[in-house]
Amino acid sequence: GQQLNQSPQSMFIQEGEDVSMNCTSSSIFNTWLWYKQEPGEGPVLLIALYKAGELTSNGRLTAQFGITRKDSFLNISASIPSDVGIYFCAGQNPNYGGSQGNLIFGKGTKLSVKP
Amino acid sequence: ETGVTQTPRHLVMGMTNKKSLKCEQHLGHNAMYWYKQSAKKPLELMFVYSLEERVENNSVPSRFSPECPNSSHLFLHLHTLQPEDSALYLCASSQGFSGAGPTSPLHFGNGTRLTVT
Repeated sequence: GQQLNQSPQSMFIQEGEDVSMNCTSSSIFNTWLWYKQEPGEGPVLLIALYKAGELTSNGRLTAQFGITRKDSFLNISASIPSDVGIYFCAGQNPNYGGSQGNLIFGKGTKLSVKP
Repeated sequence: ETGVTQTPRHLVMGMTNKKSLKCEQHLGHNAMYWYKQSAKKPLELMFVYSLEERVENNSVPSRFSPECPNSSHLFLHLHTLQPEDSALYLCASSQGFSGAGPTSPLHFGNGTRLTVT
């Protein structure tokens, strides 16, 4: 079945630094979603991407839908302590099926920010 | 009132106990989901309900039994669980479900942290 490779697995950065993470696959997706999960809470949608090449921002967050449709990137500028959490990507393609349906999640990138 | 509410937030149960997890969504969505979240693994889809009809089962062990009495409420009944079932159980909802997936991004609850002793 389809799988998403999310990297890095974890990041330890200094407050104020920029952050980049990505999600790649050997499969094509029509939708890319980025979620953030803070400790003790459920995932919260940050950005949704629906078109190859699309670049979308949400405050200090910017995400891109890769041209090949096999990857997506999330950047965080000028990180702050409240950016701490686990960031998940998810890809969806209506043509896929299987035990997980057509929405596949990555394993997440754990971000730690040192004040 | 948050969009998707789950209770309890934490649950400790023995292997012979019977307990239930509850989920309620206030978003007017027509599809609801149960996911299992374990460390260092992708979210695992367990069950999907669309308009109160079960859509996916994913070969989940029968010790997990879902119930969806209406489009706003979802339950997960647990009995004779195993220690490896300890995990965070997330409920989610979407506007609808078509084919093999949601028709809009999922909205998640804050989960129930389950520990089986």
